[in-house]
Amino acid sequence: GENVEQHPSTLSVQEGDSAVIKCTYSDSASNYFPWYKQELGKRPQLIIDIRSNVGEKKDQRIAVTLNKTAKHFSLHITETQPEDSAVYFCAAAGGTSYGKLTFGQGTILTVHP
Amino acid sequence: GAGVSQSPSNKVTEKGKDVELRCDPISGHTALYWYRQSLGQGLEFLIYFQGNSAPDKSGLPSDRFSAERTGGSVSTLTIQRTQQEDSAVYLCASSPGQGAVEQYFGPGTRLTVT
Repeated sequence: GENVEQHPSTLSVQEGDSAVIKCTYSDSASNYFPWYKQELGKRPQLIIDIRSNVGEKKDQRIAVTLNKTAKHFSLHITETQPEDSAVYFCAAAGGTSYGKLTFGQGTILTVHP
Repeated sequence: GAGVSQSPSNKVTEKGKDVELRCDPISGHTALYWYRQSLGQGLEFLIYFQGNSAPDKSGLPSDRFSAERTGGSVSTLTIQRTQQEDSAVYLCASSPGQGAVEQYFGPGTRLTVT
């Protein structure tokens, strides 16, 4: 089955800096890669996703890049703000695991004012 | 519109008891998923329903776990003879299905087995 590795496990940045979180996946047939933000005690919220026919997608301060050959994808947050502080999860789906998401272990992002 | 809802929000039960957790998906969503999130951990897939197809049960950790989805809408996750290691947050998600795979999560049920 699919295996997703996520790094780093914790990330601390100053307000205004950029943050990058990276994930690798194992199933070359996976074709859908969402990112979720989870604040303490809250539900995971979908913040951006990318499909395998696209190399990059942006939405305001966040962007996701996908390298199918290397089987890795990354989340980029620019001009970070304290409210960006949360746990971020990457996930992969499709191919042999169609429909179900396989999640990375999460990255605790802390943005210091 | 209304999002995914789950009940109860918290459940404390004694080891060996059975529990039922409920999920109401977003109206019109044909796909429904259950995940488990242990303290400080990522999300672990449990089971997936898509329309009238047979569910994908490949993530259920033991035969003590089962789930059903009645009328293509509400789903119930049942854990029999609960064990302490079952303590976790159980999250439900739904998606429109049929090629639209974005999953939207409910608030979860925090299960504590004493």
